[in-house]
Amino acid sequence: EPEVTQTPSHQVTQMGQEVILRCVPISNHLYFYWYRQILGQKVEFLVSFYNNEISEKSEIFDDQFSVERPDGSNFTLKIRSTKLEDSAMYFCASSAGRVGEKLFFGSGTQLSVL
Amino acid sequence: AQSVAQPEDQVNVAEGNPLTVKCTYSVSGNPYLFWYVQYPNRGLQFLLKYITGDNLVKGSYGFEAEFNKSQTSFHLKKPSALVSDSALYFCAVRVVSGGYQKVTFGTGTKLQVIP
Repeated sequence: EPEVTQTPSHQVTQMGQEVILRCVPISNHLYFYWYRQILGQKVEFLVSFYNNEISEKSEIFDDQFSVERPDGSNFTLKIRSTKLEDSAMYFCASSAGRVGEKLFFGSGTQLSVL
Repeated sequence: AQSVAQPEDQVNVAEGNPLTVKCTYSVSGNPYLFWYVQYPNRGLQFLLKYITGDNLVKGSYGFEAEFNKSQTSFHLKKPSALVSDSALYFCAVRVVSGGYQKVTFGTGTKLQVIP
């Protein structure tokens, strides 16, 4: 089965630093998402992306966050100035269609902000 | 607000016994409902979905879920639990906003199957 790939698997950074989390969605998918999960608990929606623009974002996704699809295969999440509370597992997901399609998730990037 | 609720943080069941993981939803319009499973240190994996049709939906690994409109529930079930079913289970609902969808997840239920 095709996979969503995320790198790195672990990222440690100092508070205030910028981080970029990388994802390679499944090649023929059109819809891309970032979710995060704190301490194995609730999975929280961050943002959805379609046709090279953000289609939906949550209240978590403030001005410190941005997403980009720079080259037609990668999908990145940037946090400009990390805070301690940004420490979480970040999951990328993609889907082929919009209505009722299942999401394919990557294995996640564990971000630790010190 | 459109959402799903998983009332149990943890469910314990003996191997070989039937299992149920509960989920209730609150959405406007017809719900699109999903179950995902998360094994330790892994991403979420799709189990099954309900969009329309038969209220009993069959999915991966022998799991099924029953859509009950009157009770606004979508409980996950399996007739005979395996130790390998031990994982974190998330119910999810498609929420439509501004013409686009997002999938909102419940808080998760940890399933522990006891040998």
